[in-house]
Amino acid sequence: DGGITQSPKYLFRKEGQNVTLSCEQNLNHDAMYWYRQDPGQGLRLIYYSQIVNDFQKGDIAEGYSVSREKKESFPLTVTSAQKNPTAFYLCASSPGVGTSGRDTQYFGPGTRLTVL
Amino acid sequence: AQSVTQPDIHITVSEGASLELRCNYSYGATPYLFWYVQSPGQGLQLLLKYFSGDTLVQGIKGFEAEFKRSQSSFNLRKPSVHWSDAAEYFCAVGTPGGAQKLVFGQGTRLTINP
Repeated sequence: DGGITQSPKYLFRKEGQNVTLSCEQNLNHDAMYWYRQDPGQGLRLIYYSQIVNDFQKGDIAEGYSVSREKKESFPLTVTSAQKNPTAFYLCASSPGVGTSGRDTQYFGPGTRLTVL
Repeated sequence: AQSVTQPDIHITVSEGASLELRCNYSYGATPYLFWYVQSPGQGLQLLLKYFSGDTLVQGIKGFEAEFKRSQSSFNLRKPSVHWSDAAEYFCAVGTPGGAQKLVFGQGTRLTINP
């Protein structure tokens, strides 16, 4: 089955530790995205990548880092510099460039990160 | 920069009643518009999208939305809701060209009374 997988579903870390969230897609999509969701708020874009080995900061990139070494993978690292990392993190992918601009994002199931 | 407003944080309707969720956007040209639904603790599922053409868009699960340029709105409707429609609904705006940078509204939580 084609889709987007995020692991783990729940993640607990101690304050001051870096943690990496996994996102994999087998949809052959060019573009991938990371969003953060806090209770009662919409989604905010952290980073996005339109092609392999390239990525751009979104609206709230501070305290986060990403890599895009493979088309199907876009891991997100939450660093100790992120002041309030406890949140629900959603990964998405889209066909991206070459779609005449009519791009549509599809979402993974999310990872809930709790920093103790 | 574009923005999205969903004026209703929480809506409660009875099962079988009709539903309308409001979405207003701010953007200089005609944007690309999306409605997503999220069940608790889950990812987002695409309900429908508008790029151009017919302003009444049909989606999955019996939902439809109408783009009204004059009102900068893209309201979501369903003629008769089911208990399984209880969820959070997000409206999003994208800009034409390349990979989409979506801007999301704050969401509307829908509760269904039996």
